Amino acid sequence: AQSVTQLGSHVSVSEGALVLLRCNYSSSVPPYLFWYVQYPNQGLQLLLKYTSAATLVKGINGFEAEFKKSETSFHLTKPSAHMSDAAEYFCAVSRSNFGNEKLTFGTGTRLTIIP
Amino acid sequence: GAVVSQHPSRVICKSGTSVKIECRSLDFQATTMFWYRQFPKQSLMLMATSNEGSKATYEQGVEKDKFLINHASLTLSTLTVTSAHPEDSSFYICSARLAGSSYNEQFFGPGTRLTVL
Repeated sequence: AQSVTQLGSHVSVSEGALVLLRCNYSSSVPPYLFWYVQYPNQGLQLLLKYTSAATLVKGINGFEAEFKKSETSFHLTKPSAHMSDAAEYFCAVSRSNFGNEKLTFGTGTRLTIIP
Repeated sequence: GAVVSQHPSRVICKSGTSVKIECRSLDFQATTMFWYRQFPKQSLMLMATSNEGSKATYEQGVEKDKFLINHASLTLSTLTVTSAHPEDSSFYICSARLAGSSYNEQFFGPGTRLTVL
């Protein structure tokens, strides 16, 4: 079975400050990991994904995440927060990157940006 | 590109009635669509995987007769909540996988808020 744990249901950072959203995974097989963002009244949008290639993954909007097997983590970071980053962020895991493999989501982290 | 729509965005119905939710891929073909349910402050929980032209695959614990899924075309899947009850009130989200894609990237709809009175 696979699962992800997102530490912190709410995170607040000042505009211009570092954003760090935590995600730890549990998987019996090498995982494929994803970060999604959900803006109010919108669907989930893929930020980035780890597919067993480079451990440091760069995504859209200046976000990046680093896969650390020893720590079973896939934390999401952005060097400088922008007001437009305020949203709900979901970490997800799947067993593979192909076919109809299902995604298992974390409970989400709501990011608030303080002006 | 890769836009997924859902209709309606919100629905309020009386207990015992049936509600149909549509999920459409607007600018691509989707052989596979997924239906999720999201409770407040909780994860998205996969309910079923819908394949065009075949029966949906339901997750353990999801009642097939309660949540009817039809994927009649490459751009449309529907979820019908039959004989809805207040405990069915939730946020329902669909996603669609690009046909022919070698990656398991899912494009998500904006969700449908169902409230059963």
